[in-house]
Amino acid sequence: AQSVTQPDIHITVSEGASLELRCNYSYGATPYLFWYVQSPGQGLQLLLKYFSGDTLVQGIKGFEAEFKRSQSSFNLRKPSVHWSDAAEYFCAVGPRAAGNKLTFGGGTRVLVKP
Amino acid sequence: DAGVIQSPRHEVTEMGQEVTLRCKPISGHDYLFWYRQTMMRGLELLIYFNNNVPIDDSGMPEDRFSAKMPNASFSTLKIQPSEPRDSAVYFCASSSDSPYGYTFGSGTRLTVV
Repeated sequence: AQSVTQPDIHITVSEGASLELRCNYSYGATPYLFWYVQSPGQGLQLLLKYFSGDTLVQGIKGFEAEFKRSQSSFNLRKPSVHWSDAAEYFCAVGPRAAGNKLTFGGGTRVLVKP
Repeated sequence: DAGVIQSPRHEVTEMGQEVTLRCKPISGHDYLFWYRQTMMRGLELLIYFNNNVPIDDSGMPEDRFSAKMPNASFSTLKIQPSEPRDSAVYFCASSSDSPYGYTFGSGTRLTVV
């Protein structure tokens, strides 16, 4: 069965510092990979996605993620965090087929210190 | 496009009452998903539809939960009777038949007292 693990439940980072959120997955084949962000009281917004090709993908809000097949990882990064990046971040995987039934990780809550 | 629209945004009801949550997906999206989010269990897929047909309802917790999609632009999730442990945020999401990820609604926060 597929699963997604986000090992860090909470991360605190200073504004202007770099951020890396970890995501590991277990899947029968290379899946489609996604990162979503959820601001308080809001739904989830797609940050970026990986389907194939270049393993470093760029997303919105200055985020990027790197797919590493050998490590079954899809870590999210941002070079310089802004206070508005405080939110919860979810990694998700889905099949390379129609249906897009995604499996989500447990989420990582990011707190930004001034 | 107005995105995925859910109503109501907040619902407070008494135990035993029927609750109906509503969702309008993005026009042209032929997949619709209902998720429940709680602190303890995170995001759980309850059920999803393709072209208005339920494909996988294995996540529906009990017979008290039911979902319908009478047409391409509307879906409901009903809980009857509701219980305090149903308190959660319920999200609807839609997607097209391509791997572009979901578009989520803003959710319905349900509190059962």
